[in-house]
Amino acid sequence: GAVVSQHPSWVICKSGTSVKIECRSLDFQATTMFWYRQFPKQSLMLMATSNEGSKATYEQGVEKDKFLINHASLTLSTLTVTSAHPEDSSFYICSARGLTTDRGHEQFFGPGTRLTVL
Amino acid sequence: DAKTTQPPSMDCAEGRAANLPCNHSTISGNEYVYWYRQIHSQGPQYIIHGLKNNETNEMASLIITEDRKSSTLILPHATLRDTAVYYCIVSFTDKLIFGTGTRLQVFP
Repeated sequence: GAVVSQHPSWVICKSGTSVKIECRSLDFQATTMFWYRQFPKQSLMLMATSNEGSKATYEQGVEKDKFLINHASLTLSTLTVTSAHPEDSSFYICSARGLTTDRGHEQFFGPGTRLTVL
Repeated sequence: DAKTTQPPSMDCAEGRAANLPCNHSTISGNEYVYWYRQIHSQGPQYIIHGLKNNETNEMASLIITEDRKSSTLILPHATLRDTAVYYCIVSFTDKLIFGTGTRLQVFP
């Protein structure tokens, strides 16, 4: 199956700093990528949809100025958590949708990035 | 997107079939049924999806009722590595809205 990677796999930062998380589709081109957040013992929550070359679409309640998303190429999307605070500590997961129609409804998920804000 | 209802947890003996139910009584005609699973501290893994017909792949089988109001994911021979949270999602777009899922525990 297709592979999606995330970097870093975990990060610890101080409150007030910004953190960038990368999501890469390694063996396919992804027109659309998605960013999720998951708190302990909870389900995944969709944060935003990222389309290559256009602005991200954020879900209701997600601050677009705090969670900056850039999808500059068909294989890379980045999520920047700006001015991070302890309540932003979470597991951030990206997914990518491929171009091929036979897998048109299949999303491939990255392994996730654990962010801890001190 | 329509909501789904799944039991919070299930147990299954290793080597036996695991049958995970999902209710989606408000599903609309163009919505697919997707199944994903998440092993602890990892990203979700795609299992299978379908629209109307039953589907089978190397991982599992998906049985969708004729009225499409419910479905069952079948893992034919569960192993300890199948222990995970299983999510049933219905959607006609790319957006996947995850519910609370079913925590499947496979025991020796």
